[in-house]
Amino acid sequence: KAGVTQTPRYLIKTRGQQVTLSCSPISGHRSVSWYQQTPGQGLQFLFEYFSETQRNKGNFPGRFSGRQFSNSRSEMNVSTLELGDSALYLCASSLEMTSFTDTQYFGPGTRLTVL
Amino acid sequence: ILNVEQSPQSLHVQEGDSTNFTCSFPSSNFYALHWYRWETAKSPEALFVMTLNGDEKKKGRISATLNTKEGYSYLYIKGSQPEDSATYLCAPRGATNKLIFGTGTLLAVQP
Repeated sequence: KAGVTQTPRYLIKTRGQQVTLSCSPISGHRSVSWYQQTPGQGLQFLFEYFSETQRNKGNFPGRFSGRQFSNSRSEMNVSTLELGDSALYLCASSLEMTSFTDTQYFGPGTRLTVL
Repeated sequence: ILNVEQSPQSLHVQEGDSTNFTCSFPSSNFYALHWYRWETAKSPEALFVMTLNGDEKKKGRISATLNTKEGYSYLYIKGSQPEDSATYLCAPRGATNKLIFGTGTLLAVQP
């Protein structure tokens, strides 16, 4: 079974631009979560999508948005990029995330650099 | 669950040493604790999920214990090997059903 895939793997943008990152979950998984990882901050939860609906949200500004398609693939968008948005963005999928023991499976991440 | 602390931040041990590190979290509003291992240039990989006070899980040379009353979990590695070098992350899950990750313990095992 293929794992979680993320595209692109690396991205360089300039301040003020916008960016879209893509995540394809493991086949059969319906929940997709997004995380941001910056040095010293650990993995910060952005949002979670299930059945095309945002089910959970972290404490990030409205410039960060996402969506999920009917095939469970998800995209994350960051508008008006700031230098501080430079980070590794990870996506994780799970079957449903309705049980507290549901495991999340992570993709390799997209490394975003904002110049 | 807001404050998840992991200690130490980093650890350097020799091959063959046994080691352990700690994950502390607020004991209220706790439902489950997840441990992940994150090797450089790879994706975080799930190690354990624990829910009950006194739970102990084992996977090869790695084991973990859980104390939900006082809000901590220990991860033990027996006879560390260079391939154990990674960042170990804990993530409690509360009523919001979000995983709240600690900043991790970076383990480096010298051959």
